[in-house]
This record gives sequence, C-alpha cells and structure tokens, in this order.
Amino acid sequence: EAGVAQSPRYKIIEKRQSVAFWCNPISGHATLYWYQQILGQGPKLLIQFQNNGVVDDSQLPKDRFSAERLKGVDSTLKIQPAKLEDSAVYLCASSISGVLNEQFFGPGTRLTVL
Amino acid sequence: TQLLEQSPQFLSIQEGENLTVYCNSSSVFSSLQWYRQEPGEGPVLLVTVVTGGEVKKLKRLTFQFGDARKDSSLHITAAQPGDTGLYLCAGVRTSGSRLTFGEGTQLTVNP
Repeated sequence: EAGVAQSPRYKIIEKRQSVAFWCNPISGHATLYWYQQILGQGPKLLIQFQNNGVVDDSQLPKDRFSAERLKGVDSTLKIQPAKLEDSAVYLCASSISGVLNEQFFGPGTRLTVL
Repeated sequence: TQLLEQSPQFLSIQEGENLTVYCNSSSVFSSLQWYRQEPGEGPVLLVTVVTGGEVKKLKRLTFQFGDARKDSSLHITAAQPGDTGLYLCAGVRTSGSRLTFGEGTQLTVNP
C-alpha cells in the first residue's frame, strides 16, 4: 500500500515570496491533516479536513496561509507571502476517519525562507 | 506553556542501557500516542493507549498510561543504535478533538 506522498521535499525561497506544497493521502483515507514542525519542536496542527470540508483550522495563520482539498483526495497548502519564521518542515498526514484513528505521515517538505 | 511536557529533551546513552522518557500534562486525555521520527521522515506511530493504568509492550519498548490519564512513560530495555530518533508523545484531550504533540525527546544510542 502506497504511503502519503508529498512534494516537493525541499524548497528554498526568499521572504515575501509565495510557495505551495502538495499532498496525496493514502487511498480511502477521509481525513487529511497539515502540520508545521519547527526545528526542535513537535508537529503543530495547521488544518484538518474531513473529505473536502474543513474540521479545524483554528491554528492556521489565515492572513498568509491557505489550504484546499477540492475533490476530497489530494490537498495543497499555500503560503503567501512567506516570512522568515515560516521556515519549518510541513507534514501531511491522513487517517481513515478522525483523530482517534492512526495517522500516517508523509516525509514532509522542508521549507527554508531566506 | 506546552500542553504535553516531555522529559528529558535530549538523551544520549550507550548500547545496552535502559532508559525511560516521560510525557506529562495537567489535562486529562481520552487517548495518548507515542511516535518515533527519524531525520527526513514523518513520525511513525508506535502505540496508542486509551485506558488509565494501561501497559503495552512492543518488543523492548514498554508504554504506560497513568491512572488519571494525564501522563505516560516509555521505557526501552537494552537500547540499540536502531532506537535512535525523536520520540514524540501526542494526545487527544477529553474536552477536545485535536491531536496535540509534545516537543519530543531526542534519543541517541551510541554503539
């Protein structure tokens, strides 16, 4: 069974530029999560989707971050404009349904903002 | 203030030693999970505990959920270099629906 796919794996941009990350969850998983993991810290939830609806985006900085999951399968996370403090690994995870089910994580995208 | 406090933050030991890492909170959790994360990869689930006082074993790893469901520990017996990684605890509060992670314990096992 294929795991969670993410691209790109690495991205370097300058501050004020925009960037987008893509995630393809495990087939059949209804719930998709985006996490931000700053070096030396645990992952922090940015947004949770159930199919193509948003369940929790309370920790998403909505002035610069946006995410969509239009067809309830793959998802994109965008940052516009990026700030230095956005440098982090962005992890995508999926689960069959809901937080009590095991979450499977992708390898992440390491973003460096210069 | 972190919802889940992990200790120690860093641990470097020799192969064959035993170790325990802790995950503490003032909140009650409906479930608590432990993950291991290796460099360049996402976290991988090791175990989920849901009942207060529950003990689960996974080969040389023993996980315990506190009676009050506010804390957990991970004990590794006879650590091996392959155990090296970032160990993360994560929980869902009884009053919430979000999985919240601790800051992690970075374990290094030297051969």
